[in-house]
Amino acid sequence: QVQLQESGPGLVRPSQTLSLTCTVSGGSISSADYYWSWIRQPPGKGLEWIGYIYYSGTTYYNPSLKSRVTISVDTSKNQFSLKLTSVTAADTAVYFCARESWSGYFYFDYWGQGTLVTVSS
Amino acid sequence: DIQLTQSPSFLSASVGDRVTITCRASQGISSYLAWYQQTPGKAPKLLIYAASTLQSGVPSRFSGSGSGTEFTLTISSLQPEDFATYYCQQFNGYPRTFGQGTKLEIK
Repeated sequence: QVQLQESGPGLVRPSQTLSLTCTVSGGSISSADYYWSWIRQPPGKGLEWIGYIYYSGTTYYNPSLKSRVTISVDTSKNQFSLKLTSVTAADTAVYFCARESWSGYFYFDYWGQGTLVTVSS
Repeated sequence: DIQLTQSPSFLSASVGDRVTITCRASQGISSYLAWYQQTPGKAPKLLIYAASTLQSGVPSRFSGSGSGTEFTLTISSLQPEDFATYYCQQFNGYPRTFGQGTKLEIK
């Protein structure tokens, strides 16, 4: 059974960098059939896709965040990571990592439990 | 970006009711649409992909239909565990986008 687990600080100061890691277990992050995404959800609000990384290192970011986002992968550790720079209170959210599968159609079939990151001084 | 608009945003219903949620896309997305269920404090759970394909393990009372710009999620007979928020999501292009959500509450 595939499992994803987010980890990282729950509190980040304004203007600093938010850093999270997603550890994948029960499956290989190096499989050609999957993309690995970050998605966030501000408290009480809807879902926003941040971006994805492929095991080869290919990335695609949401244009709304592109100037501040970096997603990287460490295949040796079966992990991928998110960095979001220059954070403000608007970046306070639950951050989820998720696996996007491809089998003719795409879908997010496995998600981490989510981790709340609060931006506050 | 492809915009997804769900209706209604809030829905009040009773156990045993049949309910339908609609998702409209700002441009055609073929059948590249998925539906998720989210309960408080949990990650979204995949219900349906490819507009109408039921994910393994999801009860058959859930069904999806549509293509192009209009899609529906139907729950044939509401169970207590179905009261949650539902999101549609498109996979036709980037960035991936979600509908704003439909909160299904107990009447």
